[in-house]
Amino acid sequence: EAGVTQFPSHSVIEKGQTVTLRCDPISGHDNLYWYRRVMGKEIKFLLHFVKESKQDESGMPNNRFLAERTGGTYSTLKVQPAELEDSGVYFCASSRASNYGYTFGSGTRLTVV
Amino acid sequence: AQSVTQLDSQVPVFEEAPVELRCNYSSSVSVYLFWYVQYPNQGLQLLLKYLSGSTLVKSINGFEAEFNKSQTSFHLRKPSVHISDTAEYFCAVSESDGNNRKLIWGLGTSLAVNP
Repeated sequence: EAGVTQFPSHSVIEKGQTVTLRCDPISGHDNLYWYRRVMGKEIKFLLHFVKESKQDESGMPNNRFLAERTGGTYSTLKVQPAELEDSGVYFCASSRASNYGYTFGSGTRLTVV
Repeated sequence: AQSVTQLDSQVPVFEEAPVELRCNYSSSVSVYLFWYVQYPNQGLQLLLKYLSGSTLVKSINGFEAEFNKSQTSFHLRKPSVHISDTAEYFCAVSESDGNNRKLIWGLGTSLAVNP
């Protein structure tokens, strides 16, 4: 089966601009997670979708971040406006409802300058 | 709240030497435990996990980890490393009860295997 796909793999934007990251989970995986790793810090949970519903968004840093999963398929994570501290690697993962096999994408490296 | 401590940020070893990457966790509830690996320029891959049963779990490429509840540890070991094991290794935990499956991560340990 195809893995979890994330685009773009890299993005460099200026402070104040908007960026949208996309994640395509494995087909049939209802659960979709977003995580972020800021340089020098641990990977941190951002939010969890079950199908199109947000199950847990306790990790979203602030209201500049907006995640959607229309139709319960792919997900987008928009940062508007981007700040310098948003730089990092954003990971997406998916899993089946009753299966503990998280599969991660390769990540999107976001650099805000 | 849960937390994960990986005591070593970098571990340099020679090829064919044994290695142990340490992981300790703190939690007030029962947990599942994981080791993930990130090879250069790749995504995170699950290396092994402890959910229940035998406290010693093994991966297909020779790594093993033992869940020690009394010491709240889940150290990763390999008796003889290869150059190809060079990567960053992450320890993570999640709650085992309920539907909350978000992972809490350690800072990661960079393993550098030298010839």
